[in-house]
Amino acid sequence: DAGITQSPRHKVTETGTPVTLRCHQTENHRYMYWYRQDPGHGLRLIHYSYGVKDTDKGEVSDGYSVSRSKTEDFLLTLESATSSQTSVYFCAISGPLNTAGGTQYFGPGTRLLVL
Amino acid sequence: KQEVTQIPAALSVPEGENLVLNCSFTDSAIYNLQWFRQDPGKGLTSLLLIQSSQREQTSGRLNASLDKSSGRSTLYIAASQPGDSATYLCAVSEAGNNRKLIWGLGTSLAVNP
Repeated sequence: DAGITQSPRHKVTETGTPVTLRCHQTENHRYMYWYRQDPGHGLRLIHYSYGVKDTDKGEVSDGYSVSRSKTEDFLLTLESATSSQTSVYFCAISGPLNTAGGTQYFGPGTRLLVL
Repeated sequence: KQEVTQIPAALSVPEGENLVLNCSFTDSAIYNLQWFRQDPGKGLTSLLLIQSSQREQTSGRLNASLDKSSGRSTLYIAASQPGDSATYLCAVSEAGNNRKLIWGLGTSLAVNP
């Protein structure tokens, strides 16, 4: 298994509070991604990073920000959590396209409940 | 806008049966197509990746095919086992941005002993 960990694995928070989720990899891969998974919507990309300090928005980026100060860490921040952000959050990584074609490898997920 | 559809949404089969899962996409300008497996409450595991120039990929009892012109991929599972029970997801990356995946909703498979 690819070395990807997410923390925390579970979190309950209140509306309006900031929340930061962490993704840590030991594979030295350049690309990292944050997704959310919701019933009926499947997986949706929030933000992704193509290098240290290089990030871009995905399809559902409103209300989320990210930071990547080191290759191994990619942080997702909910500036002011809302109930609509209750979801399961997955981090993924991928390597060069000439290695496994850019296959994405996923972390175990973080279950976030916003009350 | 690329859309990915997986049919059926759920499938229940007896152990030992050969089965096919379907994935269709609306825009044939893809870079690659990937099949993943997700067990309940778990993350996703990559099964197979097919480049747009390829027709199929095989791994053990799994075979994935790609017909780009018709916008279809199939995942063939031979001699199914109860351990194959999971949700199977397909995702395509587009030629214009090969790092962004567009996902289907998945097929939930139950293999009954």
